[in-house]
Amino acid sequence: DAGVIQSPRHEVTEMGQEVTLRCKPISGHDYLFWYRQTMMRGLELLIYFNNNVPIDDSGMPEDRFSAKMPNASFSTLKIQPSEPRDSAVYFCASSTSAGSTDTQYFGPGTRLTVL
Amino acid sequence: SQQGEEDPQALSIQEGENATMNCSYKTSINNLQWYRQNSGRGLVHLILIRSNEREKHSGRLRVTLDTSKKSSSLLITASRAADTASYFCASKNTGGFKTIFGAGTRLFVKA
Repeated sequence: DAGVIQSPRHEVTEMGQEVTLRCKPISGHDYLFWYRQTMMRGLELLIYFNNNVPIDDSGMPEDRFSAKMPNASFSTLKIQPSEPRDSAVYFCASSTSAGSTDTQYFGPGTRLTVL
Repeated sequence: SQQGEEDPQALSIQEGENATMNCSYKTSINNLQWYRQNSGRGLVHLILIRSNEREKHSGRLRVTLDTSKKSSSLLITASRAADTASYFCASKNTGGFKTIFGAGTRLFVKA
């Protein structure tokens, strides 16, 4: 298995532009998580899905952020319009409820820089 | 804050020494996990300990859990330069699927 795949790996954009981050979870996993990591705030859970349905989006910082999971193998995190304070590394992770291991498998992350 | 607390924030040791990292959490948990993050990479799961367990071993890793104190510790024995990374604890609350990550301990092992 290729693991969790994220694209792009790096994104540099200007303030006000729309940014879309993509994630392909591990096949068969029914949970998908989006995290943001910064030096100041550490690792923050933004939103998670179960069977493609958003369960908890309380970590989404504001309405500029939105996430979708149209099918079991794809999810997007969109920021519109982007701001410099959105600069961070965004991680996608997936896990399975089978076996009750709760282990999350992380992708390599997308490093976002908003100028 | 979403985060649990970990200490120390940073730890520098010589190769061959043991490294101990501590984690505290805030609510009742089902389990607690430790993850490692190498620079520029995603987190990698190391070990999980359930709320009814007190100690668990995996290779050079030893994890303890004290639910009365809401704390856990990760011990890495005979450390190697390759152990240099950030280490995070992650607690899963009872009744939910939300996992809360600590702020992490940055470990530097000098060769």
